[in-house]
Amino acid sequence: AQKVTQTQTSISVVEKTTVTMDCVYETRDSSYFLFWYKQTASGEIVFLIRQDSYKKENATVGHYSLNFQKPKSSIGLIITATQIEDSAVYFCAMREGNTNAYKVIFGKGTHLHVLP
Amino acid sequence: EAAVTQSPRNKVAVTGGKVTLSCNQTNNHNNMYWYRQDTGHGLRLIHYSYGAGSTEKGDIPDGYKASRPSQENFSLILELATPSQTSVYFCASGGTGGSYEQYFGPGTRLTVL
Repeated sequence: AQKVTQTQTSISVVEKTTVTMDCVYETRDSSYFLFWYKQTASGEIVFLIRQDSYKKENATVGHYSLNFQKPKSSIGLIITATQIEDSAVYFCAMREGNTNAYKVIFGKGTHLHVLP
Repeated sequence: EAAVTQSPRNKVAVTGGKVTLSCNQTNNHNNMYWYRQDTGHGLRLIHYSYGAGSTEKGDIPDGYKASRPSQENFSLILELATPSQTSVYFCASGGTGGSYEQYFGPGTRLTVL
């Protein structure tokens, strides 16, 4: 069965440092897509970055990058040079399948606190 | 820019009453989703759809129905609301053909008394 697990409930870091948030997933599909989303204090949920399972290179967007370890079914989110405004809840998500009717499920989220 | 709207934004309902949550997207996305968010559970998938006329059960469909009358609209229906359905509900749309990320609505806070 499809499953996404984020074990870190909360992380605190000092501004301008690098943080890594963990995510492991379970799937029977050979093709799948992994995502990270950010939920701000206002409740808004926005897409950050995506990794396609067939790509070996790690995705990077701005100061977000991924550490994709396929043999370990792991997709970590790395934020470099953290800023106060990076404080939010971060969700890992997975989409299975190549058909039109695909599910997207989420982990429970990691609350990041960036301290001055 | 991609846009997903939800109505109402806040709703108070009575136990046993019928509640309909509405979602509209102007992204022309085939796929739409309903999630609920509760403390400690993250986002849990209730129902989803891959096009007008289709609905699929997610991971927690019990007590909920969904309706997709058009490409743009996707509703979540609670026929007999219960206090355990008090939550924040998010609608999302997602594309296909290479653009797989989801766009979320602002959420609806539902309280069932």
